[in-house]
Amino acid sequence: QVQLVQSGAEVKRPGASVKVSCKASGYSLAGHALHWVRQAPGQSLEWMGWINGGNGNTKCSQKFQGRVTFSRDTGANTAYMELSSLRSEDTALYYCARDNNDLLNGLLVDFMDVWGEGTTVTVSS
Amino acid sequence: DIQLTQSPSFLSASVGDRVTITCRASQDIANDVAWYQQNTGKAPKVLIYAASRLQTGVPSRFSGSGSGTEFTLTISSLQPEDFATYYCHQAHSYPRTFGQGTKVEVK
Repeated sequence: QVQLVQSGAEVKRPGASVKVSCKASGYSLAGHALHWVRQAPGQSLEWMGWINGGNGNTKCSQKFQGRVTFSRDTGANTAYMELSSLRSEDTALYYCARDNNDLLNGLLVDFMDVWGEGTTVTVSS
Repeated sequence: DIQLTQSPSFLSASVGDRVTITCRASQDIANDVAWYQQNTGKAPKVLIYAASRLQTGVPSRFSGSGSGTEFTLTISSLQPEDFATYYCHQAHSYPRTFGQGTKVEVK
């Protein structure tokens, strides 16, 4: 059974860092990219970036440039998202999601087909 | 960044109703749109990708259409488990973006 299992809830002070893990089972992390998406309370979804599970290349939204680091440990089949300089606006539910793709009319289209259960990060003084 | 605007933001409907949600993009995104369903307290679930392709295992009452800047998600006959929030998402360019969501509530 393909699933992503995330680490538990975190409470951090402003200015601190948080590292969230996402362990893949039922498939190899190296075979797919992995997205990170967050959702503030009562808000929509916000894409943070992704990591190529094979070569470790990353891409992140400019909004998080300089504050977020994506990494993975293929031996542990686990990906990580670290967010630094936390502020109250970073309080959210953080999801990892597997990227999958399909070849349609010669073009590759991708989508997020498996999601973790989410990790709550609360930033409060 | 590409803005996605969904309408309506809230929708009241009854079991058996036909429901249509629209997503408009701020620029041409070809057919690079996916639709996700999110139940309260749960992770999103993909329903449709590439604007009209039904994800494996998703009931056929869900369908998607559109290209360019206007897309629709249709539920042909609303079922009790379909009361949820729906998001469109563009995979055309970075940063990837989502619509603000459409909450489908019981009438």
